[in-house]
Amino acid sequence: SQKIEQNSEALNIQEGKTATLTCNYTNYSPAYLQWYRQDPGRGPVFLLLIRENEKEKRKERLKVTFDTTLKQSLFHITASQPADSATYLCALYLWSSASKIIFGSGTRLSIRP
Amino acid sequence: GAGVSQSPRYKVAKRGQDVALRCDPISGHVSLFWYQQALGQGPEFLTYFQNEAQLDKSGLPSDRFFAERPEGSVSTLKIQRTQQEDSAVYLCASSLVGQGTANYGYTFGSGTRLTVV
Repeated sequence: SQKIEQNSEALNIQEGKTATLTCNYTNYSPAYLQWYRQDPGRGPVFLLLIRENEKEKRKERLKVTFDTTLKQSLFHITASQPADSATYLCALYLWSSASKIIFGSGTRLSIRP
Repeated sequence: GAGVSQSPRYKVAKRGQDVALRCDPISGHVSLFWYQQALGQGPEFLTYFQNEAQLDKSGLPSDRFFAERPEGSVSTLKIQRTQQEDSAVYLCASSLVGQGTANYGYTFGSGTRLTVV
């Protein structure tokens, strides 16, 4: 069956450390993968997109990697801050369905001071 | 406006009641999506519009769910004869580009939280 799994329902780390979130998928062939941030009571906010032919993408303190062989993406936040605390969602845009993206269930990240 | 606007923010409906949820996308955005998000889960796709055409409604859970976007801007998601399992947050998203060329993220509204009692 097709699945998107975000390892760790919740992740707690110390301020200043690097947070690493994992997204694994099975039986999908994504054209690209997106990461979103969602705060309580709000809709997801787009952060980064990485294409299937890209290995790594960076934006400020964020870094995303995409390994289509392992069927895995890693999302890193360096020098984490309490303001980075939120739920992070990975989403796949599929070649087989050009009209929608499929979301994982999210990882709730807490950064403690 | 600057973002995607959804109304109402909260809706409490008695079981069996019909509800209508509104989405105002960003002006000029071609694509519009509806998602359903249960507590603690990621958003689940419901339906997709490109301008006024509903190109994909494969995610609508039953024929009680109906969506429209008659003039290619504002969209309404209607749920008839609501059931308790319909309780969720309904998210609307829009995107500037059309089907197959979306290289950007979607802009989501804050959602409508529907509670069926």
